[in-house]
Amino acid sequence: ETGVTQTPRHLVMGMTNKKSLKCEQHLGHNAMYWYKQSAKKPLELMFVYSLEERVENNSVPSRFSPECPNSSHLFLHLHTLQPEDSALYLCASSQSRSAYSGNTIYFGEGSWLTVV
Amino acid sequence: EDQVTQSPEALRLQEGESSSLNCSYTVSGLRGLFWYRQDPGKGPEFLFTLYSAGEEKEKERLKATLTKKESFLHITAPKPEDSATYLCAGISGGGADGLTFGKGTHLIIQP
Repeated sequence: ETGVTQTPRHLVMGMTNKKSLKCEQHLGHNAMYWYKQSAKKPLELMFVYSLEERVENNSVPSRFSPECPNSSHLFLHLHTLQPEDSALYLCASSQSRSAYSGNTIYFGEGSWLTVV
Repeated sequence: EDQVTQSPEALRLQEGESSSLNCSYTVSGLRGLFWYRQDPGKGPEFLFTLYSAGEEKEKERLKATLTKKESFLHITAPKPEDSATYLCAGISGGGADGLTFGKGTHLIIQP
């Protein structure tokens, strides 16, 4: 079993649909992240949660809505997306959000999203 | 603004042909430089973290080094299974909210 599990692995949705991506970490970590990976672009940080408190990236459109009900689970709710939102969405976790030695960020396998 | 630049974008080597991947960074108060490996359709897999200039870490055929301005990932006598995209990322001492990634180097090892 991997440390960070994401479901679904693949999702196709219409622009008017509402769907959610789910992430669960089994590492006992206190910080969780959503990243977006598009072709030919670096991974982009979308949201950070630490002990269930959100640190928001203001450049993320409101059609993406994160939810962190506890330190082990993270959701990304999707609503009225655009075709350019098609990408690999990666969940990650770390012991804390502090940049101290040893704070490695571990990734899940990702959810491939296609918006049609 | 924090930036991480990787070169080359793509590299094709013969099996056994050693080479190095470069990661240059401008990250304020760098607290860690990370290397990840990413296979097609999968999430990044953690390889190394380097914390200070002069530090080196090794794992099988890979060795990562760090200077004050850049990091290298040296690949010695690579095998086809080393083919992947290698990602470099830095974390600053300021914001501490996640990693700043480069675009990656797509490495292909031909038998």
